[in-house]
Amino acid sequence: LAKTTQPISMDSYEGQEVNITCSHNNIATNDYITWYQQFPSQGPRFIIQGYKTKVTNEVASLFIPADRKSSTLSLPRVSLSDTAVYYCLVGDGNYGGSQGNLIFGKGTKLSVKP
Amino acid sequence: DTEVTQTPKHLVMGMTNKKSLKCEQHMGHRAMYWYKQKAKKPPELMFVYSYEKLSINESVPSRFSPECPNSSLLNLHLHALQPEDSALYLCASSQDGRGSYNEQFFGPGTRLTVL
Repeated sequence: LAKTTQPISMDSYEGQEVNITCSHNNIATNDYITWYQQFPSQGPRFIIQGYKTKVTNEVASLFIPADRKSSTLSLPRVSLSDTAVYYCLVGDGNYGGSQGNLIFGKGTKLSVKP
Repeated sequence: DTEVTQTPKHLVMGMTNKKSLKCEQHMGHRAMYWYKQKAKKPPELMFVYSYEKLSINESVPSRFSPECPNSSLLNLHLHALQPEDSALYLCASSQDGRGSYNEQFFGPGTRLTVL
């Protein structure tokens, strides 16, 4: 069971790049790293997923070092609408009765200010 | 259609009532999930259905009873709930049962209040 650790909160200003780091020291060989975004009173929304090195999509980048014991979600040029809670999940998606794959960590509350 | 719908949006019930939460998706996904989320806490997995069969039950009390009539529908039957069960109940779906690998699509949730 790969436990994740994230900062509880972060503050930023509009237009800045935000990097949120997730620690997962016990990550297993088959584990993927997934990030979700959640706005108040809404369901989480998938942002990005990766296994190693760097993954980029239209909204974010995910950086994973060679040892994979941490990962960094990078949000370029944030706006007020990026204010949300960001969750990091680690798991291999192979249940086998394990609950570890679908445990959300405590999340990072990002506040973007004008 | 990439949407997961949940009804009702809000529900207030007494501890002796029986009610049901409903979830629907038309993305052809074969895995569906129920989560419970308390205020300022992360979602907690309750149940997972994979190919209409219950594959994970995270030791949830029997007053919560899930049902998956077909691959598009997921219900959560509620009976004799306690005030501490008040929370946002989220439904999600994914392509198959490998929840961590496949993107999960979440509904907007049902805000449940137990009096």
